[in-house]
Amino acid sequence: DVKVTQSSRYLVKRTGEKVFLECVQDMDHENMFWYRQDPGLGLRLIYFSYDVKMKEKGDIPEGYSVSREKKERFSLILESASTNQTSMYLCASRRLASGSEQYFGPGTRLTVT
Amino acid sequence: DQQVKQNSPSLSVQEGRISILNCDYTNSMFDYFLWYKKYPAEGPTFLISISSIKDKNEDGRFTVFLNKSAKHLSLHIVPSQPGDSAVYFCAASVTSGGSNYKLTFGKGTLLTVNP
Repeated sequence: DVKVTQSSRYLVKRTGEKVFLECVQDMDHENMFWYRQDPGLGLRLIYFSYDVKMKEKGDIPEGYSVSREKKERFSLILESASTNQTSMYLCASRRLASGSEQYFGPGTRLTVT
Repeated sequence: DQQVKQNSPSLSVQEGRISILNCDYTNSMFDYFLWYKKYPAEGPTFLISISSIKDKNEDGRFTVFLNKSAKHLSLHIVPSQPGDSAVYFCAASVTSGGSNYKLTFGKGTLLTVNP
């Protein structure tokens, strides 16, 4: 079974703090993704990485950056957390094959106070 | 510009009956469609998919129907079980060209199956 793990299930941070969210997958997937899920808005893509050290902006990249130094690990960075970044953050991975589904981690519920 | 729409935020059905979840899309370039199921405090899990070359795909109790001319797809669950109670997301992608990684999600439909 594909396993995608995220470093924290729940996280509380203060406004202005730098926040790191870590994601690890164990299936040698080329592609990895960060989404946020908000009530009434569904899942929105923040950033995408199609391979090591490669990244591409998604639909809502503002206020975020990412890092992918190893194939299995994809990090989401909030440079200066703000209250509007309070959300559920979901990491996903997928094989580099047309139409293949994405496998999601359990999510990190981030609260910025 | 919402390219994938799930117009029903919620749906309630009785155990044993059919659940029908609907999804509409506007981008005619979409050629691969997926349904995900999400329980609270968990990540979405892949349920079933369909390519645009087909109009139906079945997996056990789950069947997805695609009507390309209407840009509409639906997920049928028969028979519905209380454990099916979850949020269901419809997603679509363009598999040709350079952006075949990207899934565009609908906002989700909360399905409640009553015992």
